[in-house]
Amino acid sequence: SQQGEEDPQALSIQEGENATMNCSYKTSINNLQWYRQNSGRGLVHLILIRSNEREKHSGRLRVTLDTSKKSSSLLITASRAADTASYFCATPPFQGAQKLVFGQGTRLTINP
Amino acid sequence: SQTIHQWPATLVQPVGSPLSLECTVEGTSNPNLYWYRQAAGRGLQLLFYSVGIGQISSEVPQNLSASRPQDRQFILSSKKLLLSDSGFYLCAWKLSLSAEQYFGPGTRLTVT
Repeated sequence: SQQGEEDPQALSIQEGENATMNCSYKTSINNLQWYRQNSGRGLVHLILIRSNEREKHSGRLRVTLDTSKKSSSLLITASRAADTASYFCATPPFQGAQKLVFGQGTRLTINP
Repeated sequence: SQTIHQWPATLVQPVGSPLSLECTVEGTSNPNLYWYRQAAGRGLQLLFYSVGIGQISSEVPQNLSASRPQDRQFILSSKKLLLSDSGFYLCAWKLSLSAEQYFGPGTRLTVT
């Protein structure tokens, strides 16, 4: 079943610009995670934000969480060509679950 | 540090042939283990997960099976492959008390 839905499905920007991706989910969660996947590779964990947090930073990444709207956003500032990848949000389907449900992802292309 | 291995990296198999994909984790004990499948350009579908030796939870009924013969070994099998089994298979692990999952490099399976 689909839990996270990313928006947009694809995003193409110029190097140096900021990229924003959004994720909506359906059930109450205790955390939400963002992952990156380079083409043909495994996923890499980027950042986790807990339900009692509203914003979290890691380097050029900024994640926000709005539990009232059941949505999260991932902002990548000062994008680089190496940021070209697919980005997925993931949430547990219920609190305490030992598994994650991933969205369909946003494919980000950074043009030099 | 922990590492996760998957093999083979790529596999081309005829319809009706058996399948065995292996995943091993090093540097940790009693991890949760996961098998995902990813269709081209899509999100991840959880197939199986295991919270301990011999404990397998199946998420999607299909002609695949999973086994965990050792603490850090997770095997995905099929007796007879279907064309629809083609895809990118990813193994992941996490600590039971943590949320973040860590992914292997994946196996690209093409059923012909």
